[in-house]
Amino acid sequence: ETGVTQSPTHLIKTRGQQVTLRCSSQSGHNTVSWYQQALGQGPQFIFQYYREEENGRGNFPPRFSGLQFPNYSSELNVNALELDDSALYLCASSPDRYEQYFGPGTRLTVT
Amino acid sequence: AQTVTQSQPEMSVQEAETVTLSCTYDTSESDYYLFWYKQPPSRQMILVIRQEAYKQQNATENRFSVNFQKAAKSFSLKISDSQLGDAAMYFCAYRSADFGNEKLTFGTGTRLTIIP
Repeated sequence: ETGVTQSPTHLIKTRGQQVTLRCSSQSGHNTVSWYQQALGQGPQFIFQYYREEENGRGNFPPRFSGLQFPNYSSELNVNALELDDSALYLCASSPDRYEQYFGPGTRLTVT
Repeated sequence: AQTVTQSQPEMSVQEAETVTLSCTYDTSESDYYLFWYKQPPSRQMILVIRQEAYKQQNATENRFSVNFQKAAKSFSLKISDSQLGDAAMYFCAYRSADFGNEKLTFGTGTRLTIIP
């Protein structure tokens, strides 16, 4: 157990809709990162938040956005869903600069 | 940009035997971290082992050890006395040591099967 939880576990959305995925980290984990893992691939970095501010972003369009809250929870929002957004979305939190602790992921299916 | 390559999509090993998973990476940085993560069917990514690039000594965690060759940019994982619970996808990952650049860059993974 990493102490990182994500909700929901599975989600089915229609193309063009918007979705919000949630992550809850342990107390003291000031850094949270989000990754997209397509089927059969390694995770791809979406963005990272440190103390509620975005401080790093991967090669993802602006319709992928996020928030981090003072209670160590965070959100990933995706607007105008596309079929290619179907993937496992992983959140990872870190109390320091060394190790990231992953949640179990949210499986998003876009139809 | 950094890249991580895992050239073995699938590997299999007999229970109790030893297996080595390969990973190479490309970077122009001199200080960084390398990781092996395990992802079982439950999907949760679990850290197996970590190596700091400035350390010459290879990291070891119980049955798991690495062979870190900095000049060759190679970072292989050896699993000794393989157990059924070791069956999973294994991902090699790179992380810069620069503050504020903590993103992980992953390889495409190696699926490890344990044969009873």
